[in-house]
Amino acid sequence: DIQMTQSPSSLSASVGDRVTITCRASQGISNYLAWYQQKPGKVPKFLIYAASTLQSGVPSRFSGSGSGTDFTLTISSLQPEDVATYYCQKCNSAPFTFGPGTKVDIK
Amino acid sequence: EVQLLESGGGLVQPGGSLRLSCAASGFTFSSYAMSWVRQAPGKGLEWVSTISVSGANTYYADSVKGRFTISRDNSKNTLYLQMNSLRAEDTAVYYCAKSNGGWAFGYWGQGTLVTVSS
Repeated sequence: DIQMTQSPSSLSASVGDRVTITCRASQGISNYLAWYQQKPGKVPKFLIYAASTLQSGVPSRFSGSGSGTDFTLTISSLQPEDVATYYCQKCNSAPFTFGPGTKVDIK
Repeated sequence: EVQLLESGGGLVQPGGSLRLSCAASGFTFSSYAMSWVRQAPGKGLEWVSTISVSGANTYYADSVKGRFTISRDNSKNTLYLQMNSLRAEDTAVYYCAKSNGGWAFGYWGQGTLVTVSS
């Protein structure tokens, strides 16, 4: 099975900073990658699909890129409401494995 | 508005069984694949199972294969997860999720807590 990894596992940044999270698949998955945001104590929220397509209603400061095995989620200007754990997920075929998550907080 | 409402969670002894339900509304249930995802206390998200629109195709994580069964009743707009031979490591919040048309999970329910303990 394809394994998903994320780096870093956690990060602390200042409001307004550009934040980048990396997700790596152990084998190529084309652009079949999704990103989710889970705020503390809340239900996961769907952010991005097909590696780079923003779900409706997601702020434009979020963006995704990548294809094959290497993907990134970028927050162009970190806001206090972005404090959350971010997960990537492979969506090409089962098993639909999630990455271990990246916890983002404010410095 | 899409709504997914899970039920059926609770405390069960190791080796026991439980059936989770997810009542869906606000969309054409029979047109979307559906999934279960779980999250153990303080841990990350773990995909559990997915079922195709008709129910003909089902997929399971290795950790639950042979013990859990996913099913759906399109006439009742309801998704199910039958969980047998439960173990302590199955303790988690179980979320029902609707596909986005592909295999990503566009909408999530509020979750139901399953605790496996003696």
